[in-house]
Amino acid sequence: DTGVSQNPRHKITKRGQNVTFRCDPISEHNRLYWYRQTLGQGPEFLTYFQNEAQLEKSRLLSDRFSAERPKGSFSTLEIQRTEQGDSAMYLCASSDRDRGSPEQYFGPGTRLTVT
Amino acid sequence: GEDVEQSLFLSVREGDSSVINCTYTDSSSTYLYWYKQEPGAGLQLLTYIFSNMDMKQDQRLTVLLNKKDKHLSLRIADTQTGDSAIYFCAGTGGGNKLTFGTGTQLKVEL
Repeated sequence: DTGVSQNPRHKITKRGQNVTFRCDPISEHNRLYWYRQTLGQGPEFLTYFQNEAQLEKSRLLSDRFSAERPKGSFSTLEIQRTEQGDSAMYLCASSDRDRGSPEQYFGPGTRLTVT
Repeated sequence: GEDVEQSLFLSVREGDSSVINCTYTDSSSTYLYWYKQEPGAGLQLLTYIFSNMDMKQDQRLTVLLNKKDKHLSLRIADTQTGDSAIYFCAGTGGGNKLTFGTGTQLKVEL
C-alpha cells in the first residue's frame, strides 16, 4: 500500500477562482478526513466521511467549501470563489475504524496559495 | 470542544533525551496521539496511547499519560538530528476528529 495520496501537491490560484483537490485514501479505509493547516498552527478539522456519507462538518467549512466522496473511495474538496484567507495546507487522512483501528494516516497535503 | 496546548520550542543536544509535553482539556479523549511533521510535509503518525493506559513504549519513544492532570508527554531517547521537526499531540475528544495542539518545534544540535 502506498499510503494516502493527494493531488495536486501545490496550487496557486487567483482570488475568486474555484479550485478542487483530490485525496486517495489507503485502500479499504472506510473513514476519510479533511483538515486545514495554516502557517505556525496545528491542523484543524474540516469534515469527515464514513464510506460515502459525510458525517460531520466543522464550522470552518463555509458554504464556499464542498467535499464529496461519491463511491466511498477517493474524495474531492472544492473551494469556490477563493479568498486570500483560504491559503493553507489542506491535509487528508484516512482510518480503518471497521477493524477498530484508531490510527489516522495523513497524506502529504495540498498547499494552496491564493494571490 | 477539546483544547490542546504545547510549548512552542525545545532544543536538545544530539544523544540526549527529549521530552515534549502536552496538556489537553477533554477527559473523554479515547486516544491521544503524537505526530511528527517535517518542513513542507504531511504528518507522520509516531505513536498513540489508549486513554486507560499510563505508559507506552515503542523503540526510542515513550509516551506517558497522566489522566488526572490531563498531561501527555513524549520522550525521545538518544535524540538524533533526523528527529528535528515539529511534533504535534492530538486527542479525539468524544468523537472521531483529531484536535491538535500548536506543535512543538524540536531542534537537535550537534
